[in-house]
Amino acid sequence: NAGVTQTPKFRILKIGQSMTLQCAQDMNHNYMYWYRQDPGMGLKLIYYSVGAGITDKGEVPNGYNVSRSTTEDFPLRLELAAPSQTSVYFCASSSTGLSEKLFFGSGTQLSVL
Amino acid sequence: GENVEQHPSTLSVQEGDSAVIKCTYSDSASNYFPWYKQELGKRPQLIIDIRSNVGEKKDQRIAVTLNKTAKHFSLHITETQPEDSAVYFCAASRVTGGGNKLTFGTGTQLKVEL
Repeated sequence: NAGVTQTPKFRILKIGQSMTLQCAQDMNHNYMYWYRQDPGMGLKLIYYSVGAGITDKGEVPNGYNVSRSTTEDFPLRLELAAPSQTSVYFCASSSTGLSEKLFFGSGTQLSVL
Repeated sequence: GENVEQHPSTLSVQEGDSAVIKCTYSDSASNYFPWYKQELGKRPQLIIDIRSNVGEKKDQRIAVTLNKTAKHFSLHITETQPEDSAVYFCAASRVTGGGNKLTFGTGTQLKVEL
């Protein structure tokens, strides 16, 4: 199993551009999450999904959109990129059952200039 | 919503000493408290977790304690080694069957010096 796969690893955007961060998991996990990590600020939840077709906002959703058309994929869309969206983005997944462990992807370093 | 505070922000110890990192949470309904370790440039990885029905949990050199009354939980690392150097994050969530929406602390940079 590859686990949680994120692409791209690095990206530079100009202000106002749009892009999609890709996330895929092959563990058949129901739950998927997007976090952003700013220096010294920990990780903050952007959006999450409890299953295909169901998404909900987290703590910092403004400026982002998500979709979950399949169990495996959970892309994050940035519309009209702003410098405040410069961050490291982590996708994660977890399963139902006894373990609440989050499995993280390797992250996407995004700079908006 | 939940708010998690973590202290200290940086911690330097000598190899072989113990390290303690403390967190407080605000939502008394939170019932799950994990600790994640993040090495430089890497993804966060779970090292230990505890549920609200348990007061203490140990895994080799790592232990976590939980005081529900005071809404405090702590990570204890004994006999520290250079490979323990990393950023450690505490987190809290209310697990209800609708996923695990963790609220993270701001992290502790642990440096183990030779």
